[in-house]
Amino acid sequence: SQKIEQNSEALNIQEGKTATLTCNYTNYSPAYLQWYRQDPGRGPVFLLLIRENEKEKRKERLKVTFDTTLKQSLFHITASQPADSATYLCASLNDYKLSFGAGTTVTVRA
Amino acid sequence: GAVVSQHPSRVICKSGTSVKIECRSLDFQATTMFWYRQFPKKSLMLMATSNEGSKATYEQGVEKDKFLINHASLTLSTLTVTSAHPEDSSFYICSATLDRGAGGQQFFGPGTRLTVL
Repeated sequence: SQKIEQNSEALNIQEGKTATLTCNYTNYSPAYLQWYRQDPGRGPVFLLLIRENEKEKRKERLKVTFDTTLKQSLFHITASQPADSATYLCASLNDYKLSFGAGTTVTVRA
Repeated sequence: GAVVSQHPSRVICKSGTSVKIECRSLDFQATTMFWYRQFPKKSLMLMATSNEGSKATYEQGVEKDKFLINHASLTLSTLTVTSAHPEDSSFYICSATLDRGAGGQQFFGPGTRLTVL
């Protein structure tokens, strides 16, 4: 069956360092991958979308990569700040529906 | 732009009662709205897809008679949890999309925390 997985439940990082999150998918080939941020008790907020023919996408301190050979997307937060602390979700679009990974909770220590 | 609201943000009800949750797109007309359910430290699980003026499409395992969805206009969808039981307690989130193509970016509401006693 189709699966999208984020292999780290939590990531603790020192302020100023780069956080790298991993998202893997199996048994299908999504045309798009999306990354969202979710704060406790709130709905997800869209961050970035990357297409299968794009290797990399950037937005301010965020960078996303899409490796169709490894079936993997990496999400990087550079120069991390305590305000970046949140849960980050990857999602794949299948037809018009989103399937989400379980999320990685990032905690940035000052 | 692209703001989605939900009401109420929190609701506590007695077992056996019904609860209605509203989802509104405030500054755009949504082609499609989606309803998700999320348990603590778990991923969002899609419950159903809602299109204005037509019946909702439910995901496998979601009881359509239990979770009634009405999509009366391009800016409003409602989810009614009928005869609620404690196991229905969860975080319910709606989302809306402008265009089902173009990568399918969804705009999410802030969520509704339902607690059934």
